[in-house]
Amino acid sequence: GDSVTQMEGPVTLSEEAFLTINCTYTATGYPSLFWYVQYPGEGLQLLLKATKADDKGSNKGFEATYRKETTSFHLEKGSVQVSDSAVYFCALSTDYGNNRLAFGKGNQVVVIP
Amino acid sequence: DVKVTQSSRYLVKRTGEKVFLECVQDMDHENMFWYRQDPGLGLRLIYFSYDVKMKEKGDIPEGYSVSREKKERFSLILESASTNQTSMYLCASTPAGGLRNTIYFGEGSWLTVV
Repeated sequence: GDSVTQMEGPVTLSEEAFLTINCTYTATGYPSLFWYVQYPGEGLQLLLKATKADDKGSNKGFEATYRKETTSFHLEKGSVQVSDSAVYFCALSTDYGNNRLAFGKGNQVVVIP
Repeated sequence: DVKVTQSSRYLVKRTGEKVFLECVQDMDHENMFWYRQDPGLGLRLIYFSYDVKMKEKGDIPEGYSVSREKKERFSLILESASTNQTSMYLCASTPAGGLRNTIYFGEGSWLTVV
């Protein structure tokens, strides 16, 4: 079935470092792809999305490009801040009409000053 | 702004109790969802509803039921709570019609079953 795989383990990095979180997917058809962010004690917020191949989603300095040939949607940010510390989830829409989302397991990102 | 409100942020219940988790959205969305979030497992879909009085099982419906009597409200029910249902529960909603719509989440309800 449709699924999303995120890289294993938390990510710890220093302020102003470059962040990459890998996400690959398996899906039939042409899903839409999303990155959601969860700050401590809060629900999930949409960070960015891409709805077709080669689309680039961007928001708050984060970017991700929908790569159909590699079935990937990696999240990147050039210079992270302490306020970017959160859990990041990659997701795809799996069901036409009902907007079901399949989520990856999430990556905890900790940015150290 | 779209708002999805979960009425209880933190609950502690005893094993065997009946538990209601309430969710209300204010944007007239057709689709509503209940997920649970557990460390290392990410988010897993329990149930979803695409219209009033309609519901469909998600990936882990066992031990849960849902109710959607009004379009704006989607309730998750634990008929007899068990300790393995200790988790964070997230409600979400989205309009009908296509893959591209954003799904909006509530802030979550932390349930502890003792």
